[in-house]
Amino acid sequence: ILNVEQSPQSLHVQEGDSTNFTCSFPSSNFYALHWYRWETAKSPEALFVMTLNGDEKKKGRISATLNTKEGYSYLYIKGSQPEDSATYLCALPLGDYKLSFGAGTTVTVRA
Amino acid sequence: DAGVIQSPRHEVTEMGQEVTLRCKPISGHDYLFWYRQTMMRGLELLIYFNNNVPIDDSGMPEDRFSAKMPNASFSTLKIQPSEPRDSAVYFCASSPDLTGNTIYFGEGSWLTVV
Repeated sequence: ILNVEQSPQSLHVQEGDSTNFTCSFPSSNFYALHWYRWETAKSPEALFVMTLNGDEKKKGRISATLNTKEGYSYLYIKGSQPEDSATYLCALPLGDYKLSFGAGTTVTVRA
Repeated sequence: DAGVIQSPRHEVTEMGQEVTLRCKPISGHDYLFWYRQTMMRGLELLIYFNNNVPIDDSGMPEDRFSAKMPNASFSTLKIQPSEPRDSAVYFCASSPDLTGNTIYFGEGSWLTVV
């Protein structure tokens, strides 16, 4: 993995169901991983900054885990609600320490 | 603090016209970033400034794009002449530092070039 990759690109979830998706990144020279949530017509909003292997962070029904050795992070949404519909972006400083963003996973929660 | 403030929020312009996007970063943040969001390429860093000085403009697509930061509280991104492929959401963001801290985004400027 040379860049930040997110999968899937999009997913549709039924209200009340739980879901998760992945951010993959180069495991060498890891410094920090950021998760952002972006609703259309609003500012991308920071969810988590994760730095340690094995980190788990939680904010309401949203949580994230980090595995720096294998180069991935999962973001989980428990009991999805329509207001969770957004694009979720992960980002890491790569190479010259500028944040590089993945293309995002767009979540649509159907009522 | 009001957060990062961008203007205009929406702009529709004709091909060939000059477009100027404006940004006021959060006071005290030393870093300012300009990003472009498109369906095809996701969120791309165009340029960033440290203490008003452009540090890396390698993401600027071509000479039609230019950015300035005349002081700590104001930056512009200019496209001249604009083309339909420049249609995108342009975000300005600021941060206290480059790596470990959260980047704070503005609400974006939605540009459509027809």
